[in-house]
Amino acid sequence: DQQVKQNSPSLSVQEGRISILNCDYTNSMFDYFLWYKKYPAEGPTFLISISSIKDKNEDGRFTVFLNKSAKHLSLHIVPSQPGDSAVYFCAAILTDKLIFGTGTRLQVFP
Amino acid sequence: ETGVTQTPRHLVMGMTNKKSLKCEQHLGHNAMYWYKQSAKKPLELMFVYSLEERVENNSVPSRFSPECPNSSHLFLHLHTLQPEDSALYLCASSQDFNPGVLSYEQYFGPGTRLTVT
Repeated sequence: DQQVKQNSPSLSVQEGRISILNCDYTNSMFDYFLWYKKYPAEGPTFLISISSIKDKNEDGRFTVFLNKSAKHLSLHIVPSQPGDSAVYFCAAILTDKLIFGTGTRLQVFP
Repeated sequence: ETGVTQTPRHLVMGMTNKKSLKCEQHLGHNAMYWYKQSAKKPLELMFVYSLEERVENNSVPSRFSPECPNSSHLFLHLHTLQPEDSALYLCASSQDFNPGVLSYEQYFGPGTRLTVT
């Protein structure tokens, strides 16, 4: 049973608009949540994180929101750029385990 | 070389072969990880090494055998694999590994695409 779920396998957004990537989780004991970005033929790269005691973390164009009551996490990218086209993985930390979602492929078109 | 490197990038092997995957990190990190990514499945943690000692083994079959000779190098020795072991194998490193407070800034290598025939 997947504890971290990304229900949208793909998302297509126009350049300049907002991209919203969603993630749901089942375990309320997760300590931290993270987003990783992966380009083809490269390993995932850490993007942004949020502690379970916060509800928002912002870093430049990237903002992660955490809704603990809904067990929902989202990554907002604004404005979206063509270079943001990649697969985005949501992940959660439970004590000493990092649990990943299956990823969402974002395509930003001109 | 910078970051985390993995060799080979692609590997095709028969079920009776023995091969090894190599990972090297140039970041001065103390913890290294092996992950498996199968098609349409989440990344699965296989092994964790901290200061060259194995600290995590997530019920991985014995046909996968890790080795960490020093904090910069990590190997995954493969023998008598099955076709379902075909996947992308990713190596990662982080500054430290503390049980209970996983160092979440893990740096990944590009992966080895393994095909077992």
